[in-house]
Amino acid sequence: DAGVTQSPTHLIKTRGQQVTLRCSPISGHKSVSWYQQVLGQGPQFIFQYYEKEERGRGNFPDRFSARQFPNYSSELNVNALLLGDSALYLCASSRIAGQFTDTQYFGPGTRLTVL
Amino acid sequence: AQTVTQSQPEMSVQEAETVTLSCTYDTSESDYYLFWYKQPPSRQMILVIRQEAYKQQNATENRFSVNFQKAAKSFSLKISDSQLGDAAMYFCAPGSQGNLIFGKGTKLSVKP
Repeated sequence: DAGVTQSPTHLIKTRGQQVTLRCSPISGHKSVSWYQQVLGQGPQFIFQYYEKEERGRGNFPDRFSARQFPNYSSELNVNALLLGDSALYLCASSRIAGQFTDTQYFGPGTRLTVL
Repeated sequence: AQTVTQSQPEMSVQEAETVTLSCTYDTSESDYYLFWYKQPPSRQMILVIRQEAYKQQNATENRFSVNFQKAAKSFSLKISDSQLGDAAMYFCAPGSQGNLIFGKGTKLSVKP
């Protein structure tokens, strides 16, 4: 079975631009989470979506938004890019999103560079 | 808020030897899971092992095992018979309510 896939692999943008990152979960997984990993740090939680609804949100500004589609794939959008948004963006999928965290399986990430 | 502390930024181990990576965390949740993930230079975050906080028995997965001390909020990872392919960043991550909280990681080097 295919794992979590993300596109694109790398992306270079300039300050003020907007970017859309895409994620396809493992087949059968209905929950998608997004994380930002700045160089030298551990990933930070941005969003979790389950059955197309937002189930959790981390401490990120409103410039960050996401959505989940009927096929459970997801997009992360970042508007008005800042230099500090340069990071590896990781997508993770899991079967469910309930009271207890189900095991999350990660994709290879999208490396975003903001110039 | 949950916090995770990995006090060893870097560790080194000789091939075939044993190494233990430490992790302490703080949470107000009563039920949660704990994970160790490995991130090699390829960037892919790979699940190493998972522990349910309500279970007293420590999880094991082949050469990997944990020492989970719930009262002390400690969750260390032991790697036995270290292999060159174990070289990576290792992240401890407790999770509940749908999101994982990661530590800053420990960089493990394996010497041949």
